[in-house]
Amino acid sequence: GEKVEQHESTLSVREGDSAVINCTYTDTASSYFPWYKQEAGKSLHFVIDIRSNVDRKQSQRLIVLLDKKAKRFSLHITATQPEDSAIYFCAARAQGGRALIFGTGTTVSVSP
Amino acid sequence: EAAVTQSPRNKVAVTGGKVTLSCNQTNNHNNMYWYRQDTGHGLRLIHYSYGAGSTEKGDIPDGYKASRPSQENFSLILELATPSQTSVYFCASGDNRGQNTLYFGAGTRLSVL
Repeated sequence: GEKVEQHESTLSVREGDSAVINCTYTDTASSYFPWYKQEAGKSLHFVIDIRSNVDRKQSQRLIVLLDKKAKRFSLHITATQPEDSAIYFCAARAQGGRALIFGTGTTVSVSP
Repeated sequence: EAAVTQSPRNKVAVTGGKVTLSCNQTNNHNNMYWYRQDTGHGLRLIHYSYGAGSTEKGDIPDGYKASRPSQENFSLILELATPSQTSVYFCASGDNRGQNTLYFGAGTRLSVL
C-alpha cells in the first residue's frame, strides 16, 4: 500500500522567511495530495491540496509543488507569521483509493 | 461548518478492559475514519467506513474493531485494551465528491494503565 514519508520532523524559521516541507510517496497511482495543519492542542484542519493534473498550486501564502516523476511534493509557506507555527501533515491517496495516508508530521516554529 | 464530535475527550482504562470511542458527524458524509496519532508515527489509519453497515480495515487494525450503525455514527472498540493502545485517537468524515476534504473531530486522549 501507499507510504508517505515526511522528511523534516522540525523546522525553525524567522518571521518573514519561508518554510519548506518535503514529502515523498510510493504509489505511482496516487493522484491527490492534501496538507493539514494542527495547532497546539487542537485537531487537524485542511489547508491546501494539489491533484496530479497540475504541478503547482497557490493559495495566499501557501504554495504546493508536485513532481510526479520523483514522487515528491512540497509545501512552501512564504512570509511566515507566528500563527503559522503548528504541525503540518502531508497526505496522499490514489484515485479511487480508500483513505488518506498521512506522513509523520513536521513541527514548524516561527520566531520573531 | 462541518461538525465531527468525539466522546469521551479523555479516557483512562485498565489493561484488559473494554473501551468504546464514539464519533458523530452531522455532515451527511458517507465516509468516516479512525486514526491514531503517536509521536514519530504521525497519523495512522485504523478502520474506515464507506457508509452505514460497512467497515474496512486500515493499516493498523489489530486489537481494534469498528462499528457503523448509521450514517452519523462510527465507533472504535478496544475489546481488550493494552498499554500500547495509549494514544490520541481522531475520527474524521469525508465524502466521495469534489475535494474529498476530511473534517476531524477534536480527538480522544486514551491512557491504558
